[in-house]
Parts: sequence; structure tokens; C-alpha cells
Amino acid sequence: SQQGEEDPQALSIQEGENATMNCSYKTSINNLQWYRQNSGRGLVHLILIRSNEREKHSGRLRVTLDTSKKSSSLLITASRAADTASYFCATDEGSQGNLIFGKGTKLSVKP
Amino acid sequence: GAVVSQHPSWVICKSGTSVKIECRSLDFQATTMFWYRQFPKQSLMLMATSNEGSKATYEQGVEKDKFLINHASLTLSTLTVTSAHPEDSSFYICSASVNYGYTFGSGTRLTVV
Repeated sequence: SQQGEEDPQALSIQEGENATMNCSYKTSINNLQWYRQNSGRGLVHLILIRSNEREKHSGRLRVTLDTSKKSSSLLITASRAADTASYFCATDEGSQGNLIFGKGTKLSVKP
Repeated sequence: GAVVSQHPSWVICKSGTSVKIECRSLDFQATTMFWYRQFPKQSLMLMATSNEGSKATYEQGVEKDKFLINHASLTLSTLTVTSAHPEDSSFYICSASVNYGYTFGSGTRLTVV
């Protein structure tokens, strides 16, 4: 399975600032999802955006999807120290019906 | 929502021994279970897809004789790491597809010493 790219690989910001992470993928998709992973822990599903949607909001999260550019972005507004984690995008491109994960962005929010 | 229970959450074993990781679907039937591996500071990579009652499908580069997968029932899939080596130390996580997407186990941290 081929992984998509995410940038930045690491992002360090101050509490209260906004954090933007980007993700690109390779083939056509039905949907794209964003997950959060605290260090050494399991995955937490954040948001799913379908291929016919361009933008979606959930609390302080805003996700955009541009299928023409095969890219998505995750914006976390008014970040908190508790948002410190790794964030992964995942698409349903897998040949087995599996998700394919991006390489992830490690976000560090300093209090 | 659909829950996958994964055990153990962490395990330390000696080189050469085998370790079994279990994933149970608690309130749904999982026809298919995906097994991922995540090395430190890296992303999740699909290792294999297990299907109830049939042989698992392994991704390129994953040794099927080393990573034994059994999916004997609709609620249980197991991954056994045989003759473990230190380079098998990793985070293993299972996932099942459900109506609204995917549900993940909580992961198993394997350390081989």
C-alpha cells in the first residue's frame, strides 16, 4: 500500500494559535478521514469528509477536501496543550478495503 | 458504536518466542479484520487482511509464516508473531470496517528483548 504525504511532519505552536496540517493522496477516493494518536496510544477518529464534500466542521476542527488536487487540510483553531498528538489522514484507497494512512504530522502545542 | 477489544495492550517477550495478539469485535460481527503495524515515529502500514473462514491476504514484504493470522469466527481474529526478533518490536493495531467507517482496537505494544 502506498502512503500519502502529509506536511508538515512536525509542527510546534503556542496555545491559542491555529494549527494547519495538509495531506495528499494518490488515487480516487470515496472519503477521507482524520485521526489523532497520542504518543504510544491507539487512534481516535476525528472527522470524515466524503468525496462530494468540500468542507466540514466539528467543534474546533475544520477539514477541507480538494479532489482535483487530491489533497485535504485539517485546521485546529484555538489550540490547546491537550491537542498535542500526531495527526494522520487516511483514505479508503486500499485494495483490500483497508485505509491507507498518511505519514502524519506531529503537533506540539506549548502552554 | 462498534467496539474492537484488543489484547494485550503491551507485551515484552524474549527473542525466539511467540506472541499472540487478539482482537475481538464486541457488539458486531467482523467478517474482515485489518492488521496494521506502526514502527516508532512512523505511520500505520497494513500488514494483512484477515477474512473469517479463509486464508489471510498479506501485503508485499510481510512473511506469512512469521505473522500467523487466524480468523476462525466472526468475532475473533488473532495475530501470532512467531520466533520474535527485536526488529519485530512495534505497535500492532487491528481494525474492522463497520457501517459508518472503521473501528480500531487500542493497539498492542510489542517489545522483543
